[in-house]
Amino acid sequence: KNQVEQSPQSLIILEGKNCTLQCNYTVSPFSNLRWYKQDTGRGPVSLTIMTFSENTKSNGRYTATLDADTKQSSLHITASQLSDSASYICVVSRHSGGGADGLTFGKGTHLIIQP
Amino acid sequence: NAGVTQTPKFQVLKTGQSMTLQCAQDMNHNSMYWYRQDPGMGLRLIYYSASEGTTDKGEVPNGYNVSRLNKREFSLRLESAAPSQTSVYFCASSDGTRSYNEQFFGPGTRLTVL
Repeated sequence: KNQVEQSPQSLIILEGKNCTLQCNYTVSPFSNLRWYKQDTGRGPVSLTIMTFSENTKSNGRYTATLDADTKQSSLHITASQLSDSASYICVVSRHSGGGADGLTFGKGTHLIIQP
Repeated sequence: NAGVTQTPKFQVLKTGQSMTLQCAQDMNHNSMYWYRQDPGMGLRLIYYSASEGTTDKGEVPNGYNVSRLNKREFSLRLESAAPSQTSVYFCASSDGTRSYNEQFFGPGTRLTVL
């Protein structure tokens, strides 16, 4: 069964600190992995996309890593800011023979940055 | 560019009532999607439209119908609402349905069915 598991479910850190969010998946055949940021009351916004051959990708203070062998990804946030408070969703895609490629969404990690 | 817009933002229905959720995009995207997001669950695909004139079922299509009115607009209809359809509904669009095509999401419609 195609699954995406994220940990922790929620996390509270102080402004300026770093944190790392985890994503484990069992999606097959793997196509790519995206991290989305979802602010409260808004739709998700893509932060990064990683394919099989990429093991790290940065977007400003966000750095995603991918280990396709162990089927694990992480999202590292450096020098957190209050605006980083949001849910972070890991989405893993699989190739499909016809129709739309399948996306499996994780439940998200709810991150709160405290001043 | 407004991106993806959805109306209404909030809606309360009684069991058995019907309603249509509207979605429009101004990015000239070919593909559009409807998802639902429930507490403690990941987003789940209800229906999608790969291109104008086509629609296909997603993971959880029961109780819903869709219409791809034109390239810009994709509506979701609940014919007889049930409490199990209480959720936040997101519309998204992308250039195509391949996974490398980034999906852009609207702000969501929060629906409560009493």
